[in-house]
Amino acid sequence: DIQMTQSPSSLSASVGDRVTITCRASQGIRNDLAWFQQKPGKAPKRLIYGSWSLQSGVPSRFSASGSGTEFTLTISNLQPEDFATYYCLHHTGFPLTFGQGTKLEI
Amino acid sequence: QVQMEESGGGVVQPGRSLRLSCAASGFTFSNYGIHWVRQPPGKGLEWVTYISHDGNKEYYAASVKGRFIVSRDNSKKTVFLLMNSLTEDDTAVYYCAKDHGPGGIGWVVPSDDWGQGTLITVSS
Repeated sequence: DIQMTQSPSSLSASVGDRVTITCRASQGIRNDLAWFQQKPGKAPKRLIYGSWSLQSGVPSRFSASGSGTEFTLTISNLQPEDFATYYCLHHTGFPLTFGQGTKLEI
Repeated sequence: QVQMEESGGGVVQPGRSLRLSCAASGFTFSNYGIHWVRQPPGKGLEWVTYISHDGNKEYYAASVKGRFIVSRDNSKKTVFLLMNSLTEDDTAVYYCAKDHGPGGIGWVVPSDDWGQGTLITVSS
C-alpha cells in the first residue's frame, strides 16, 4: 500500500502569512492527489484534486503543486477561517490513503 | 443540491455487528460510486471502502477487509455499510462521500460532497 507522509504535523502562523504543507508518497502517484480541509466537528472539505486543480468555490489563495512523490499545498495571505487541519489523500489506486494531517494554528 | 446523510450510528458491544446507511439526493445516484471514510475521536481520517456506481466493484482498507461489507440499492439511493466483528478500534465518526465523477471513469476520489457523519462507539 502507498503511504502518505505529511509535514509538518502542526504549524503556527498569523493572519496574512503564507504557509506550505508538504505531502510525500512512498511511491509515485502521478498527479493523483487531493487536499482536504477539516474544521472541528465538521466533515472534510475538498480544496484540491488532481494535485493542482482548485475545487469550485475555493478561494484562490489556496494553491497546490506536485507530481510523482512530492506535493505541496500553499495558502497565501492566511485568513482567520483557514485555521484548520489539512489532509492529503492519494487516489492512484486502492486502497486510498490519507496523510496524517497538519494542524494549522494561530 | 447534493445531500448525503449517514444514519445507523450508536453504541455497540465488541464482537457485534452494525449496519450504517448513507442516503443520497440531488444527483443521479446510480451514476456515482460512494466512499466511506472514518475518523476516530481526536485522530486523522482513514479511507474505509468504495463501491462502484453499479455495485459491481468494492474495495476495502486492510483494517476492515473481511469484516465490513459495502452494498447499495440504487432504487433507494442508499449505500449500506455492514460492519461485523467490531472492535474498539472501529470507534469513529463514519462519513460517506460521493465519488468525483460519473461511472468511476477517471479519478476515483471523494468529491466535495460528504455527509455530516455518524458516530459509532464500540464499547462493552
